[in-house]
Amino acid sequence: SQKIEQNSEALNIQEGKTATLTCNYTNYSPAYLQWYRQDPGRGPVFLLLIRENEKEKRKERLKVTFDTTLKQSLFHITASQPADSATYLCALDPPGNTGFQKLVFGTGTRLLVSP
Amino acid sequence: NAGVTQTPKFQVLKTGQSMTLQCAQDMNHEYMSWYRQDPGMGLRLIHYSVGAGITDQGEVPNGYNVSRSTTEDFPLRLLSAAPSQTSVYFCASSPILNTEAFFGQGTRLTVV
Repeated sequence: SQKIEQNSEALNIQEGKTATLTCNYTNYSPAYLQWYRQDPGRGPVFLLLIRENEKEKRKERLKVTFDTTLKQSLFHITASQPADSATYLCALDPPGNTGFQKLVFGTGTRLLVSP
Repeated sequence: NAGVTQTPKFQVLKTGQSMTLQCAQDMNHEYMSWYRQDPGMGLRLIHYSVGAGITDQGEVPNGYNVSRSTTEDFPLRLLSAAPSQTSVYFCASSPILNTEAFFGQGTRLTVV
C-alpha cells in the first residue's frame, strides 16, 4: 500500500543550527511533493513545492531536496529560530489522479528549537 | 482577505446527532476539499470538489455528505454522528492543480 513516513519523534535542536527533516515514501512515483507547517490548534500552512524534475528548491532559510531514486525528500531550515518550532508535514499527490489534487500527508515531525 | 473560514471551531455532539460543518473561501478557488486529522494518522481526505455542482469521495467518505452549490461554500454534513468521527476537520482550497492548498483553522469535533 502507499505510505509516507516521517519521523514521529520530535527533533530538538539549538537556535542557529540547521534542522533537517526527512520524508520517505513507498509505492509512489509522485510528480511533486509539498511541505507544510502546522502550529498547535491551527491549519497547515504551505511552505514549498518541489517537482520530480527539480533536485532542490530554496525559499529564504528553507531548502527542500527531492530524490526520486531514494524516494525521499529532505527539508532543511538553516539558522533555526525558536519561532520555527512547529510540526512539519510532507504531502504528495499519488499517481493516477484524474484531475484533482488528492494530497496524501505524512504524520508530521515536530521540531523544537531551543534558545 | 479572509482566505478559508471554517465554523464552528469547536463542537460536541451526541451519538446519532447530525450537523453541518461550514467552509467558505473568498479566493475564487475551484478546488475544495475536506480532511480529517487524527493522532498518528495524518490528514486524510474525506470528500472533494472540482467546482460548483461537482463532488467526489476521498479516502474516508463513509458517514459524511457534501454538496457544492456555489464556488465559495463547501459544507460537510455528518448524517448520524459516531464516536469514531471524533477528530479535527480541515477544509482546504486550491486555485489550480498541482499547487499549494490553503487550509482553514479547523473544527474540533467530539462525539460522545
